[in-house]
Amino acid sequence: QKEVEQDPGPLSVPEGAIVSLNCTYSNSAFQYFMWYRQYSRKGPELLMYTYSSGNKEDGRFTAQVDKSSKYISLFIRDSQPSDSATYLCATKANAGGTSYGKLTFGQGTILTVHP
Amino acid sequence: EPEVTQTPSHQVTQMGQEVILRCVPISNHLYFYWYRQILGQKVEFLVSFYNNEISEKSEIFDDQFSVERPDGSNFTLKIRSTKLEDSAMYFCASSRGLGETQYFGPGTRLLVL
Repeated sequence: QKEVEQDPGPLSVPEGAIVSLNCTYSNSAFQYFMWYRQYSRKGPELLMYTYSSGNKEDGRFTAQVDKSSKYISLFIRDSQPSDSATYLCATKANAGGTSYGKLTFGQGTILTVHP
Repeated sequence: EPEVTQTPSHQVTQMGQEVILRCVPISNHLYFYWYRQILGQKVEFLVSFYNNEISEKSEIFDDQFSVERPDGSNFTLKIRSTKLEDSAMYFCASSRGLGETQYFGPGTRLLVL
């Protein structure tokens, strides 16, 4: 079983739509959860960073974590063409012990928001 | 806003040649990382580096790979004898602390012929 699974899409939505992106993970040691956005041929850019189960909101973006189900989501409200990118979920175990910050990424979901 | 920079942006090399990929992490960061992304695949962890030592490495990071912080600003990844399968985008990242956000550079696209 892959440690982090993410539907690669592609996902195409009209401008203004609500987008839902999801990942599942299998390793209970993962305690930190991130969403990165990656434009074509660029490095990943951090969007959201969460630790606790529950929701975290930042502008049009909401990250949701359900540790009991090992399920993480990113919601984008009022999506814009500029949101078109690949969205990567990433997880990390607790720092210290045998973990030194290694991020484990999902496959990435390709999102296109068309005008 | 401070950012991680990487050079070169693109590198083409012949199989068996040595390559050195360079990174300048954010200046007050203490933890440094290399990741790679083969075209169409996941971003994969290679190695983490702290206090002039490798902290953690993946199975990918075999004896052909090495990392170094030769001075106070640069962080390098060396591949001693490149293979075709080393063709990928290589990302450097840095973080201020162990559990803190990792900031990624724009990547170096390596093509091994």
